[in-house]
Amino acid sequence: DVKVTQSSRYLVKRTGEKVFLECVQDMDHENMFWYRQDPGLGLRLIYFSYDVKMKEKGDIPEGYSVSREKKERFSLILESASTNQTSMYLCASSLGEAGGSTDTQYFGPGTRLTVL
Amino acid sequence: AQSVSQHNHHVILSEAASLELGCNYSYGGTVNLFWYVQYPGQHLQLLLKYFSGDPLVKGIKGFEAEFIKSKFSFNLRKPSVQWSDTAEYFCAVISVNTGRRALTFGSGTRLQVQP
Repeated sequence: DVKVTQSSRYLVKRTGEKVFLECVQDMDHENMFWYRQDPGLGLRLIYFSYDVKMKEKGDIPEGYSVSREKKERFSLILESASTNQTSMYLCASSLGEAGGSTDTQYFGPGTRLTVL
Repeated sequence: AQSVSQHNHHVILSEAASLELGCNYSYGGTVNLFWYVQYPGQHLQLLLKYFSGDPLVKGIKGFEAEFIKSKFSFNLRKPSVQWSDTAEYFCAVISVNTGRRALTFGSGTRLQVQP
């Protein structure tokens, strides 16, 4: 089974702090994703990565950056946390290119971030 | 940009009732379609997916979905729900032609099954 792990289940930070959310997958997947989940809005894509050191902006990248130095690890960085970034953050990975069964995404348990 | 609409935001059913959750997407090209489920306190899990072949797809726990290309729909069904089906359900689409590998999700439907 694919396993996607996230460094924290719950995190509380203060406005202005730099926040790191870590995600690790153990199945040698090419693609990794960061979403945020908010009630009534579903999941919205923040950033994704096709390969090591490659990244693409998603639909709501403002206020976030990412890092992928190793294939199995994808980090989400909040440069200066704000209260409107209080949310559930979900990491996911998938094997390969869109168009077949390899684009099934597997999700981690999520990190609930509260910014005070 | 592609979008996914789930018109039922909150559904309440009694056990043994039949379920149909609507999902419509906006993209006109070739798509792969997914339903994910999130049980209370658990992470998102794949319920079923469609990427080619028979448009009627069967998934886990007795769920099925039908892809109707002419209606841009991928509705989720279950003939008889159980209390354990209480969860939030998300429809998602990925467009094959654009090469974008990320899913676009609907806003979710919260299903509450009463015993």
